[in-house]
Amino acid sequence: SQQGEEDPQALSIQEGENATMNCSYKTSINNLQWYRQNSGRGLVHLILIRSNEREKHSGRLRVTLDTSKKSSSLLITASRAADTASYFCATDATSGSRLTFGEGTQLTVNP
Amino acid sequence: DAGITQSPRHKVTETGTPVTLRCHQTENHRYMYWYRQDPGHGLRLIHYSYGVKDTDKGEVSDGYSVSRSKTEDFLLTLESATSSQTSVYFCAISEPAATSTDTQYFGPGTRLTVL
Repeated sequence: SQQGEEDPQALSIQEGENATMNCSYKTSINNLQWYRQNSGRGLVHLILIRSNEREKHSGRLRVTLDTSKKSSSLLITASRAADTASYFCATDATSGSRLTFGEGTQLTVNP
Repeated sequence: DAGITQSPRHKVTETGTPVTLRCHQTENHRYMYWYRQDPGHGLRLIHYSYGVKDTDKGEVSDGYSVSRSKTEDFLLTLESATSSQTSVYFCAISEPAATSTDTQYFGPGTRLTVL
């Protein structure tokens, strides 16, 4: 079963709007990562947040982590059509199991 | 996709035939992974390797075998392909010793269709 579950499964917004995606997980983690996948391509690492961090920024990306709720959110500000992609969270569990990916959120940014 | 190539990129085969997919990296990363991606299931780990000749099973390893005789190459073999193995297969690499995390870098994928 998947460790991470993204919500919503699909999101459609207009260019310039902000996009927020959520990820919930089940077990204790060392860190949580977000990846992007453009259609027909491999996944690309976006950002990593460690279990002792609450918020992290990278350009237009903002990630939060709430370990008490076992959840994370990815915010993309001022979205662009080029942000259209699937976004996956991946958890690195303290149990030593390998990185586990959720099923992803399909983001569509309309020009 | 830089530094990671997969071959072939597309393959159509028939049920019962053997199939080998190849992943090649130029990054000298110790860990290599094979995933399959299917609608409704996300990305699932098939097998991974933590060094030459060192491999372990993932979540969905039945029907698959792997080999790693060199640092740069990781082969995934379907001994007798079945229609349920129709999927997109991704190779990934990581070097936890360098980053103290399991940040992974993915290849471009192989689309396999089993008729």
